[in-house]
Amino acid sequence: DAKTTQPNSMESNEEEPVHLPCNHSTISGTDYIHWYRQLPSQGPEYVIHGLTSNVNNRMASLAIAEDRKSSTLILHRATLRDAAVYYCILRDGGGSQGNLIFGKGTKLSVKP
Amino acid sequence: ETGVTQSPTHLIKTRGQQVTLRCSSQSGHNTVSWYQQALGQGPQFIFQYYREEENGRGNFPPRFSGLQFPNYSSELNVNALELDDSALYLCASSLGVAAGEQYFGPGTRLTVT
Repeated sequence: DAKTTQPNSMESNEEEPVHLPCNHSTISGTDYIHWYRQLPSQGPEYVIHGLTSNVNNRMASLAIAEDRKSSTLILHRATLRDAAVYYCILRDGGGSQGNLIFGKGTKLSVKP
Repeated sequence: ETGVTQSPTHLIKTRGQQVTLRCSSQSGHNTVSWYQQALGQGPQFIFQYYREEENGRGNFPPRFSGLQFPNYSSELNVNALELDDSALYLCASSLGVAAGEQYFGPGTRLTVT
């Protein structure tokens, strides 16, 4: 499975936008880019996923580079509740298994 | 719509014992995946069940086994517990194996002494 690289930690101020980067230079044509986050003492929570085009939902936006070797999760206005570990995960859309391969993720801290 | 639930919340066992963890999937979801999360690490895939059949397994020994029932709820069994089995055990349900979204439960914290 293709791997992803994320910064270990990032800091943001409340109510400011946050851009969380992810590099995936070995991504294959059928790999979807997924983002999950894990708040303290909770299970992971689905945030967003995409294949080639940028995606928006109520939680965040996902910007995918044209060559698909990197992507950025965008939180438009960070709140204290967004403090969590954010995982960027590649999953083979053409495979028969749906397991997610988590790395260590990026720990986001949000300052008031 | 009921989310994914897991029981028990916490559990303490002794090395060598056996443990069973339970997961109720979200209504309508036919696929359950189990993950182990050690402290400070991301979750590691154990195995996945789809319509009562195992559909993929991660790098875990055979003493980790599972079941999925007709109502799609699931159990994770671990035999001959070792100290390194201490972790948060997460289950996630989805609608089909290729679903883009998996819904995780809150986990069961297992401590092996």
